[in-house]
Amino acid sequence: QQQVKQSPQSLIVQKGGISIINCAYENTAFDYFPWYQQFPGKGPALLIAIRPDVSEKKEGRFTISFNKSAKQFSLHIMDSQPGDSATYFCAYQAGTALIFGKGTTLSVSS
Amino acid sequence: DAGITQSPRHKVTETGTPVTLRCHQTENHRYMYWYRQDPGHGLRLIHYSYGVKDTDKGEVSDGYSVSRSKTEDFLLTLESATSSQTSVYFCAISPEYNEQFFGPGTRLTVL
Repeated sequence: QQQVKQSPQSLIVQKGGISIINCAYENTAFDYFPWYQQFPGKGPALLIAIRPDVSEKKEGRFTISFNKSAKQFSLHIMDSQPGDSATYFCAYQAGTALIFGKGTTLSVSS
Repeated sequence: DAGITQSPRHKVTETGTPVTLRCHQTENHRYMYWYRQDPGHGLRLIHYSYGVKDTDKGEVSDGYSVSRSKTEDFLLTLESATSSQTSVYFCAISPEYNEQFFGPGTRLTVL
């Protein structure tokens, strides 16, 4: 079963700091790598996504970095805010399905 | 939640009873999905649909069936609920098979 390994499981960051979440995948055939943000009691919301033909994509304070040779991609949250406290999931497209990491719970302390 | 509703939002049932969860979309998207979310497992695909009456199995399909008779509705049925099916169930929709948008979820407890 294909999987994506996400780390860390939990993360505590000071307000204004940088949050970094990493994911590693196994198969180089995938072509779509999204990140989802989930607040308690809510469904996951698409945050940002990247395709492997670019190495970085930035949207506001959120940046995806993609390293195709290392089969890794990461989410950076700059100037982290208490409102960013949530669970973050990386994923990749495998055929019709998305394969998700197990999630990272981010707490931003004020 | 991108024009997706799920019903019921919460349900408690007993082992052995049938349960049907409904996903309704107003976006006219082709693809619809059912996932379950469990602590330590993330989100796992149960079944998906790529059109009316066109469905296929996902990673954790055992014990579940689905039906899609209209573009806007995708039903998930547990024929005989078991305690291992206690979970939060999410429906997702997609215009094509990349961007997926999730509904608010249904919390199911099987006693």
